[in-house]
Amino acid sequence: GAVVSQHPSWVICKSGTSVKIECRSLDFQATTMFWYRQFPKQSLMLMATSNEGSKATYEQGVEKDKFLINHASLTLSTLTVTSAHPEDSSFYICSARAGHTEAFFGQGTRLTVV
Amino acid sequence: GESVGLHLPTLSVQEGDNSIINCAYSNSASDYFIWYKQESGKGPQFIIDIRSNMDKRQGQRVTVLLNKTVKHLSLQIAATQPGDSAVYFCAEGGMDSSYKLIFGSGTRLLVRP
Repeated sequence: GAVVSQHPSWVICKSGTSVKIECRSLDFQATTMFWYRQFPKQSLMLMATSNEGSKATYEQGVEKDKFLINHASLTLSTLTVTSAHPEDSSFYICSARAGHTEAFFGQGTRLTVV
Repeated sequence: GESVGLHLPTLSVQEGDNSIINCAYSNSASDYFIWYKQESGKGPQFIIDIRSNMDKRQGQRVTVLLNKTVKHLSLQIAATQPGDSAVYFCAEGGMDSSYKLIFGSGTRLLVRP
């Protein structure tokens, strides 16, 4: 299957700082990328959907000013957690699809805010 | 709101036995269903999918059954192996341009040696 890569795999940051997570589709052009958040022992919760060249669509309850999503190219989307706080500590996962194909998932990024 | 749920949070099976993981969905408009496997600290791994115009689909050692009448989805794993131990999620969505996937709560599969 297609490969989606996230970077970094894990990150520790101080409270109040911002963290950027990258999601890349390595062998296909992703027209749509999705960002999920997963707390321990819970399911994946969709945060937002982004289409290349347009603004992201956020799910209800997700603060768009806190979780900045940029999908500037067909192979790269970024999620920036601004002014991170301990409650933002979570496992962030992206997925990507090309057109009407299945979605492929990245390996996830473990964010710990101290 | 719309949701996808699972009947059993944890399933323990003997190595070599067959496993059945169940899932209920609530959105009758969903036309695409996927089972994912997630190992600790990793992203979901695609197992098998099925579209709403089918009621059964088979892969290697896995079978997905879809009952649209009762909005029920199941994953059958034949001859369960220790490497099958993981959390399994069902997800529902559509094959339209948005393709939003809603994930169920997950079932942990434990394979006893």
